[in-house]
Amino acid sequence: QVQLVESGGGVAQPGKSLRLSCGASGFIFSNYGMNWVRQAPGKGLEWVAIIYYDGNNKYYADSVKGRFTISKDNSKNTLYLQMDDLRAEDTAVYYCATWSGGYPRGYFQSWGQGTLVTVSS
Amino acid sequence: QSVLTQPPSVSGAPGQRVTISCTGSSSNIGAGYDVHWYQQVPGTAPKLLIYGNINRPSGVPDRFSGSKSGTSASLAITGLQFEDEANYYCQSYDTNLSGLVFGGGTKLTVL
Repeated sequence: QVQLVESGGGVAQPGKSLRLSCGASGFIFSNYGMNWVRQAPGKGLEWVAIIYYDGNNKYYADSVKGRFTISKDNSKNTLYLQMDDLRAEDTAVYYCATWSGGYPRGYFQSWGQGTLVTVSS
Repeated sequence: QSVLTQPPSVSGAPGQRVTISCTGSSSNIGAGYDVHWYQQVPGTAPKLLIYGNINRPSGVPDRFSGSKSGTSASLAITGLQFEDEANYYCQSYDTNLSGLVFGGGTKLTVL
């Protein structure tokens, strides 16, 4: 069965960086596009970024464009999110999720359990 | 403020039927983009409930159904059960934002 395990969350100061990882198993990782979706405390879901199955195409939400970078290592079955110039409003639980179907008409099929990122001085 | 509008809350008694609306515009649902629904029990990760407007993944009970018309979509839940208490989110794509979008979420309470 599909398993997605996020890691790398924690506390970071404004302006600093953090890198999240998502280890995948139970499916052919190299065949799937992947996403990061976040949820601020007590708030709804917000899509952050998507990367195609081969890593060649990436799209970002306007709120993180230019600061966050999504990548995937198909040899390690791992998805990453490099978060730079962090802001207080980036505080959230970050979920990785598999993408099913073409972009942008597909959907988030399987989700990890999430990792909490807190940006505070 | 999301471009997909959902009611903040709905409620119903066990066994009853409830619907959750997701209202968009000509730049998302009305542009022909599919609507997908997710269920999130508080403290847990979201789970895919309906994809492609009307399709249920395997394992999702047929008490859950989706529909889409014009610039809106709906999720219907029949035979309400206490385990259905959760937050429900619709999701689509918006051409003005050039990105994937979620509705603000609807909290379902089973009385």
